[in-house]
Amino acid sequence: DQQVKQNSPSLSVQEGRISILNCDYTNSMFDYFLWYKKYPAEGPTFLISISSIKDKNEDGRFTVFLNKSAKHLSLHIVPSQPGDSAVYFCAASEDDKIIFGKGTRLHILP
Amino acid sequence: NAGVMQNPRHLVRRRGQEARLRCSPMKGHSHVYWYRQLPEEGLKFMVYLQKENIIDESGMPKERFSAEFPKEGPSILRIQQVVRGDSAAYFCASSLSRHNEKLFFGSGTQLSVL
Repeated sequence: DQQVKQNSPSLSVQEGRISILNCDYTNSMFDYFLWYKKYPAEGPTFLISISSIKDKNEDGRFTVFLNKSAKHLSLHIVPSQPGDSAVYFCAASEDDKIIFGKGTRLHILP
Repeated sequence: NAGVMQNPRHLVRRRGQEARLRCSPMKGHSHVYWYRQLPEEGLKFMVYLQKENIIDESGMPKERFSAEFPKEGPSILRIQQVVRGDSAAYFCASSLSRHNEKLFFGSGTQLSVL
């Protein structure tokens, strides 16, 4: 029973263009949503988060959008850079634990 | 290096042996989380601990798995009588406080069961 779903296992984007990673969730009690980035053989690193009371949060090239009515959030990266190639995990916070999706592998093409 | 330290990075065990995974949280962090990542899967929550207390172990298998975070020393995830299905990457994360969404992860321990 997946509460946080990332339906695209992988995504390829040209360098310099916008990368859009999508995430859906089922639990309306989640109070925070997060994106983590993971390189091979490393642990995930925190990227950006958004409270459930907001609909947008921006940090440099990264923007997260939250649509509560659709139970959907997305991460926009613009412009995409080669170093952005990684696996991106969508996550949601409930009580004391953070629940992760399966991840989307982003390939930035030269 | 004040990051989350996990050891060993790689651990090979034969079926039936015990596996002990260690995690030292970031300096000043007293909240530790263990996650497991199976191949082609996301991170699955296992357990959340504070010093000397298990707060939430809803993701831990009922048998063979245990975790502790003693007053002194690292947090330990212990798997007894390992089976092939236990082969996975085990990640530890720490946070400064409860209900703190920003977790800092270690590099993980890759457990391989032969």
